[in-house]
Amino acid sequence: HLQESGPGLVKPSETLSLTCTVFTASITSGSYQWGWIRQPPGKGLEWIGTIYNTGNTYYNPSLKRRITISVDTSKNQFSLKLSSVTAADTAMYYCARLGDFCSGGRCSTMAYWGQGTLVTVPS
Amino acid sequence: EIVLTQSPGTLSLSPGERATLSCRASQSISSIYLAWYQQKLGQAPRLLIYGASSRATGIPDRFSGSGSGTDFTLTISRLEPEDFAVYYCQQYDTSPYVTFGQGTKLDIK
Repeated sequence: HLQESGPGLVKPSETLSLTCTVFTASITSGSYQWGWIRQPPGKGLEWIGTIYNTGNTYYNPSLKRRITISVDTSKNQFSLKLSSVTAADTAMYYCARLGDFCSGGRCSTMAYWGQGTLVTVPS
Repeated sequence: EIVLTQSPGTLSLSPGERATLSCRASQSISSIYLAWYQQKLGQAPRLLIYGASSRATGIPDRFSGSGSGTDFTLTISRLEPEDFAVYYCQQYDTSPYVTFGQGTKLDIK
């Protein structure tokens, strides 16, 4: 359903740029939202941010100053940019589709995930 | 930010046994905004439970969720070999802002 792409190695202080290509659904569909989640090696999941079909974006407050998530409707893709990276940003980065399973009118569960892409920032 | 604390960190059980995993929230959340995920080694997470107790499509009925307020539980009634994995809870009471627990590893004893 989704596939991440981007460089596997990013130099410290540079900007990490990843793209998620969406299959089997239109990225402009009002039924879904699109999110990024990361997982440092051997650690847990961290939500990065979510973009709605309206273009509204919501970011993890701890990363907000460095994140931009955007959509390219012509390619049915959405993208993540994370600036000023350090070794602490080394992680598996996943993109995901939200909105398939809702409760109480809130749909921020992630039913479909990409396989993930490992991004390494050397120290 | 709502912090989710999962316990135990590691749970060692045998196939056929019952597993009980806990997720505690730092403040009360509506039970309908709690989800559980399973992650096997080298794979992306898979949504198991949403709305605290509803199973996602294709999830076997040996998986069940319960709880309210600050305390939530994922129960696996009879463990199958494929159930040994890491499990995460997620709250979306503050949707679209969400947080995950740190995970519980379910090991084969």
